[in-house]
Amino acid sequence: GAGVSQSPRYKVAKRGQDVALRCDPISGHVSLFWYQQALGQGPEFLTYFQNEAQLDKSGLPSDRFFAERPEGSVSTLKIQRTQQEDSAVYLCASSLGGFSQPYNEQFFGPGTRLTVL
Amino acid sequence: AQTVTQSQPEMSVQEAETVTLSCTYDTSESDYYLFWYKQPPSRQMILVIRQEAYKQQNATENRFSVNFQKAAKSFSLKISDSQLGDAAMYFCAYRDSGGGADGLTFGKGTHLIIQP
Repeated sequence: GAGVSQSPRYKVAKRGQDVALRCDPISGHVSLFWYQQALGQGPEFLTYFQNEAQLDKSGLPSDRFFAERPEGSVSTLKIQRTQQEDSAVYLCASSLGGFSQPYNEQFFGPGTRLTVL
Repeated sequence: AQTVTQSQPEMSVQEAETVTLSCTYDTSESDYYLFWYKQPPSRQMILVIRQEAYKQQNATENRFSVNFQKAAKSFSLKISDSQLGDAAMYFCAYRDSGGGADGLTFGKGTHLIIQP
């Protein structure tokens, strides 16, 4: 079956540009997570959705970062006025259960590598 | 806040040998979950093994097993009969068991090299 997909796989942006990163989770998965992985580091949590509800956005680094999942499936992470420190791989993950099932396996997408020049 | 520490940036092992990757964590919770994820070069991160803190028995998945020491807050991964396909970054991760909307807390990772 299809796994988690993300697009684009690579994105180069000039500083100050807006970007939109897309995540297609596994069909039927309730939970969706976004992580940011800087070079040589582990992923860091950004935000969490249970269906269409954004239950936690505590990891978003600034108000330039915005995420949505309007119909409870596809999600978009938007970064406004990109800066060099936003350069990273952005990972999306989905899991079957909701927030009351933290043991569920998270299935990760291949990530989007964002480079801000 | 919980933290996860992987003190070995890189490990190398001969093919068919056994290697152990270290992980320690810090939490004030008594119940939680621990995970090891594998991230091959340019490929997606996949779950290797997971452990529930309230279970004393160490988890095992084929050639992969863990040594979970709750009092020491240690969660090491043992890979037996190492294979070339095991070469990857390995991340230790933590999550509270009480539910909640937060994600996994990851360590910085260990780069595992398999020598043929």
